[in-house]
Amino acid sequence: DGGITQSPKYLFRKEGQNVTLSCEQNLNHDAMYWYRQDPGQGLRLIYYSQIVNDFQKGDIAEGYSVSREKKESFPLTVTSAQKNPTAFYLCASSILGAPSPTGELFFGEGSRLTVL
Amino acid sequence: RKEVEQDPGPFNVPEGATVAFNCTYSNSASQSFFWYRQDCRKEPKLLMSVYSSGNEDGRFTAQLNRASQYISLLIRDSKLSDSATYLCVVRSGAGSYQLTFGKGTKLSVIP
Repeated sequence: DGGITQSPKYLFRKEGQNVTLSCEQNLNHDAMYWYRQDPGQGLRLIYYSQIVNDFQKGDIAEGYSVSREKKESFPLTVTSAQKNPTAFYLCASSILGAPSPTGELFFGEGSRLTVL
Repeated sequence: RKEVEQDPGPFNVPEGATVAFNCTYSNSASQSFFWYRQDCRKEPKLLMSVYSSGNEDGRFTAQLNRASQYISLLIRDSKLSDSATYLCVVRSGAGSYQLTFGKGTKLSVIP
């Protein structure tokens, strides 16, 4: 089955530690995204990548870093510089180029990060 | 003015009821519009795109009013399984990275 796999599903971290969230897709999509969702808030874009070895900052990139060494993989590192890292993190992918007919984003199941 | 605004709800409706959600957007140049559904503590999934002429998918009807910059979603004959948060999503340009998500409207269908 094609899809997006995020891991871990739940993660606890102490303040001052970096943590990396994994995102892998086998949909052969060119574009991948990281969003953050806080309670009662809309999804906010952290980073996106439209092609291997290239990525762009989204609206709230400060305190985060990404890499895109392979088409299938787009890991997100939450650094100690991120002041409020506790959140639900969602990875997504989409067809690149002309917008897909449905404009659909395919999401992973999410990673819930709690900073203790 | 917020870019995409929705009534957060919750909307508590009995089974079989008809319920409507509205969403307003501030960018008049927005190109595409969508409704996503998000179950509690799960990822969002596309429910339906919204076309200029309006479109229907079973019990769900979506409409777009460009002049007033609002989108609506109508659910007829509500089922318990419709309980979820409905996200209004607007794309301001050609790229999917240009999506703006509303905060969502929570629907609870009660037996």
